[in-house]
Amino acid sequence: GEDVEQSLFLSVREGDSSVINCTYTDSSSTYLYWYKQEPGAGLQLLTYIFSNMDMKQDQRLTVLLNKKDKHLSLRIADTQTGDSAIYFCAEIPTSGTYKYIFGTGTRLKVLA
Amino acid sequence: GAVVSQHPSWVICKSGTSVKIECRSLDFQATTMFWYRQFPKQSLMLMATSNEGSKATYEQGVEKDKFLINHASLTLSTLTVTSAHPEDSSFYICSAPARGRVDEQFFGPGTRLTVL
Repeated sequence: GEDVEQSLFLSVREGDSSVINCTYTDSSSTYLYWYKQEPGAGLQLLTYIFSNMDMKQDQRLTVLLNKKDKHLSLRIADTQTGDSAIYFCAEIPTSGTYKYIFGTGTRLKVLA
Repeated sequence: GAVVSQHPSWVICKSGTSVKIECRSLDFQATTMFWYRQFPKQSLMLMATSNEGSKATYEQGVEKDKFLINHASLTLSTLTVTSAHPEDSSFYICSAPARGRVDEQFFGPGTRLTVL
């Protein structure tokens, strides 16, 4: 199947780190993505990782990929109230296409 | 970076009417665009792939006669919800891949459709 699962909700205190997890099912996915969606808005690409990488760091964001377990995570360091949003992981399970399969989304709430 | 716009950003219509949503790539050409639907507190579900100069490809379960897609130019795709009903109320988002790049796709800001 092509189900991409995420935990629904995460609450953290401002300044702490947030870790959002994603489990995907298609091991052939070449790219895996993290998107942010603020209320009533479209999607903003945060970062992505190529399947031959284990880790990618971009400022406060760290992506970890465990291909064996088909597990992807996004760590946000020093989480701020502006990070409150819904975070979607996504994969392209069919090589040569742009067709995304999105995860179920994790709602991150940052408490001041 | 590349920008994708949608118009309108929100629309309210009566049941039985048709609504057209536009998706434009502002500073790049897109031979392919995608249409997604997002119900409240749910994920995005791909509805169809819009192909410039040819018929759209619909995902399983999506009625092509209800959701008409036209991709008449390299910068514009339109989605028309025909004979809209309250269950069609949703957030519709389009996207376009950066030309020649499989690793980057640009999303529009979305259109919220409410059918009364």
